[in-house]
Amino acid sequence: KAGVTQTPRYLIKTRGQQVTLSCSPISGHRSVSWYQQTPGQGLQFLFEYFSETQRNKGNFPGRFSGRQFSNSRSEMNVSTLELGDSALYLCASSQGAEAYEQYFGPGTRLTVT
Amino acid sequence: AQSVTQLDSQVPVFEEAPVELRCNYSSSVSVYLFWYVQYPNQGLQLLLKYLSGSTLVESINGFEAEFNKSQTSFHLRKPSVHISDTAEYFCAVRAPQNKFYFGSGTKLNVKP
Repeated sequence: KAGVTQTPRYLIKTRGQQVTLSCSPISGHRSVSWYQQTPGQGLQFLFEYFSETQRNKGNFPGRFSGRQFSNSRSEMNVSTLELGDSALYLCASSQGAEAYEQYFGPGTRLTVT
Repeated sequence: AQSVTQLDSQVPVFEEAPVELRCNYSSSVSVYLFWYVQYPNQGLQLLLKYLSGSTLVESINGFEAEFNKSQTSFHLRKPSVHISDTAEYFCAVRAPQNKFYFGSGTKLNVKP
């Protein structure tokens, strides 16, 4: 099986712009979670989607949003980018409603200038 | 609420020496425990997991971790490290409602 894929791998944006990141989970996995990783804050949970519904949400402002499609692919969007949004954004997929483990993609490195 | 504490942010060690990366968690309910490894510019890879059963779990590349319920710990150990083990290691807890919590990471630096 192919692993979790994320596109693009690298992205450079300027302040005030918006960005959309994409994640394709492992085939058959129905849950997708998003994390932000920075040197200062570590791994922070953004949100989780299961069967097109947001099931869990972390403590991030409303500028961060996401969605999941019927094929389980997921996108996250960040509007009005700030310098502090520069980070590695990781997507993880898991199987079923009660996931015992997550499998991570390689991440999208977002740089905001 | 659950939390995960990795006591050491960096662990330097010489090649072929033993190593222990410490992880403690706080939880009032049963949890599942994981160790992930992250190499530079890559995502996290699952190293090993404790779901139930034997409290000692092993990975295919020589790492092992022991679940200690009374001490709420899940320390990662390897009897002899290699240069290729240099990476950042994350301890994680899965709590009810499919919520995952990660520690702040431990950078393992294996020196020749």
